[in-house]
Amino acid sequence: QVQLVESGRGVVQPGRSLRLSCAASGFTFSSYDMHWVRQAPGKGLEWVAVISYDGSKKYYADSVKGRFTISRDNSKNTLYLQMNSLRADDTAVYYCVKEENSGYYSVDPFDYWGQGTLVTVSS
Amino acid sequence: QSVLTQPPSVSGAPGQRVTISCTGSSSDIGAGYDVHWYQQLPRTAPKLVIYANNNRPSGVPDRFSGSQSGTSASLAITGLQAEDEADYYCQSYDSSLSAWVFGGGTKLTVL
Repeated sequence: QVQLVESGRGVVQPGRSLRLSCAASGFTFSSYDMHWVRQAPGKGLEWVAVISYDGSKKYYADSVKGRFTISRDNSKNTLYLQMNSLRADDTAVYYCVKEENSGYYSVDPFDYWGQGTLVTVSS
Repeated sequence: QSVLTQPPSVSGAPGQRVTISCTGSSSDIGAGYDVHWYQQLPRTAPKLVIYANNNRPSGVPDRFSGSQSGTSASLAITGLQAEDEADYYCQSYDSSLSAWVFGGGTKLTVL
């Protein structure tokens, strides 16, 4: 079965960096686009970034553009999110999300989500 | 402020029918981008319950249905059960932002 397991949670000071990882299993990781979605405490879902199946295309939300970098290692079935210049409003649970990628739809759904990892930015 | 607009809360008694609306614009739902719906139970990750406007993934009860018209979409839940109490989010794509977008979420309370 599909499993997405995030790691890298922690408390970090404003302005510092943190890297999240997501270990994927149960599907052909190298065939699917992958996303990061975050949820601030008590708030709704916010899309963060996407990377294409082969890593050639990357897109970011305006709120993280220039500070966060999404990447993947298909040989290790792992997705990453490098977060630099962290701010208090980056505090959230970060979810690793698989896109369905059937190609049938104008926008494919997010069919599997990890359990999430909490990032707290605080001095 | 979310790109897609949902009511903050809805409620219904067991057995009743509720609907949750999701209003977008000409650059997202109105542009023809599909709408998906997610259920988030307390302290868990979101789960896909409706995809491409009106399709149910395997394992989702047929009490859940979706529709889309113009710049809006709706999620309907019939025969409400206590286990349906959760937060529900709509999701699509916005071409003016070049971004995947979510609604602000709706908290469903089963009375």
